[in-house]
Amino acid sequence: AQSVTQPDIHITVSEGASLELRCNYSYGATPYLFWYVQSPGQGLQLLLKYFSGDTLVQGIKGFEAEFKRSQSSFNLRKPSVHWSDAAEYFCAVGGRNTDKLIFGTGTRLQVFP
Amino acid sequence: KAGVTQTPRYLIKTRGQQVTLSCSPISGHRSVSWYQQTPGQGLQFLFEYFSETQRNKGNFPGRFSGRQFSNSRSEMNVSTLELGDSALYLCASSLAGGGTEAFFGQGTRLTVV
Repeated sequence: AQSVTQPDIHITVSEGASLELRCNYSYGATPYLFWYVQSPGQGLQLLLKYFSGDTLVQGIKGFEAEFKRSQSSFNLRKPSVHWSDAAEYFCAVGGRNTDKLIFGTGTRLQVFP
Repeated sequence: KAGVTQTPRYLIKTRGQQVTLSCSPISGHRSVSWYQQTPGQGLQFLFEYFSETQRNKGNFPGRFSGRQFSNSRSEMNVSTLELGDSALYLCASSLAGGGTEAFFGQGTRLTVV
C-alpha cells in the first residue's frame, strides 16, 4: 500500500540551528516526492519537489531535500533555521500514474529564539 | 499569475444543512483536487477532476460530491452535514494531474454546529 511516514510529530530547535525532518515513503512505482509547509489556518505551500535526476533538490526559503531510493526516504534539511520557519511540514508522495497525493501526518516545528 | 482561490474562507453551518465550496485553479491548470484536513485524520483525498471528468474519488460517503466546469473551476458539495464534517477543505490545482506538482488554495474552514 502507498503510504508516507513522518516519524517526528513535533520538533523544537533553536534559531540558527540546523534542521532535518524525516520522511519515509512506500510506493510501488517511481515516486514523485514533495514537501509542503503550512502555517496555522492557511493552505499548503510547496517547498520543493523531486521527480527524477539529481537526488539533492533545492527549494524555496533555503530548504533542501535528499532522495534516497535505497532507504525510501526524502528528508528535508535546512542549515540554519529562522523563527519564521515555525510551522507544520508535510511530506507527500504522488506519481505520474496517480491522481492524488498521499500525505504524511506532518511534523510541527517550533523555533526558540 | 494568480494562485488558487477558494471561497468562502469560513463557513458555519447547522447539522443537516448542505454546503457548496468553490475553487478557481491557476489559469491553464485542468486538474483540481480536493482534500479534507482534520486534526484526527490529517489530510485525506476527496476527489480529483480533470477536464470536467472525475478521475478518482477517496473513501468518503456519497454525501460528498463535486463537479468541474469547462473553465476548470470546481465546486464541492456536502449534503446532510454532520458534526464530523467540520474541517479545513483544501483545493489543489495542477497542470498534469493530481499526483504531480500541486498548488493549494488557502482553504475553506467549515464548522458544523
